[in-house]
Amino acid sequence: GENVEQHPSTLSVQEGDSAVIKCTYSDSASNYFPWYKQELGKGPQLIIDIRSNVGEKKDQRIAVTLNKTAKHFSLHITETQPEDSAVYFCAAQSPSGYSTLTFGKGTMLLVSP
Amino acid sequence: DTAVSQTPKYLVTQMGNDKSIKCEQNLGHDTMYWYKQDSKKFLKIMFSYNNKELIINETVPNRFSPKSPDKAHLNLHINSLELGDSAVYFCASLGQPNTEAFFGQGTRLTVV
Repeated sequence: GENVEQHPSTLSVQEGDSAVIKCTYSDSASNYFPWYKQELGKGPQLIIDIRSNVGEKKDQRIAVTLNKTAKHFSLHITETQPEDSAVYFCAAQSPSGYSTLTFGKGTMLLVSP
Repeated sequence: DTAVSQTPKYLVTQMGNDKSIKCEQNLGHDTMYWYKQDSKKFLKIMFSYNNKELIINETVPNRFSPKSPDKAHLNLHINSLELGDSAVYFCASLGQPNTEAFFGQGTRLTVV
């Protein structure tokens, strides 16, 4: 089955700095790579996603890159704000098994004012 | 109107008891899931359910069983609860592959 590795497990930045979270996946058949943000006491919520036919996608301060050859993808957050503080999960979705999402272990991002 | 709702939000119970967590989605999605989030925040798939067909993660004990009375509901029954079952359980639903999966708010289960 799919295996997703995520680094770092914790990340502390100053407000205004950039943050980068990296993930690798094992199943070359995986074709959809979402990123979820989980705030305290809430369920994960999608913030951006990328499909296998695209190398990069940007939405305001958030961008994601995908390297299918190397089987890794990254989340980039620019101009971080305190409200960006949360746990971020990368995930990979395989076409088999009812499109189950396999998650990385999460990155706790702390943005200090 | 909440897309995926779970009840209860908190559940405290004694070892050996049987309990259920309910999940409802109003998105018209065909696929629903149960995930377990442990104390280290790791999200692990337990079940995938689509059109009355179930895919089970083989690591899930058979004390856990999903029940789907209709397409909009996927409940989780747990028998003979153990201390190690303490975790946050999330229900999620998916419409089409390669699209957003929507998660419920979670149910924090504490077994004492």
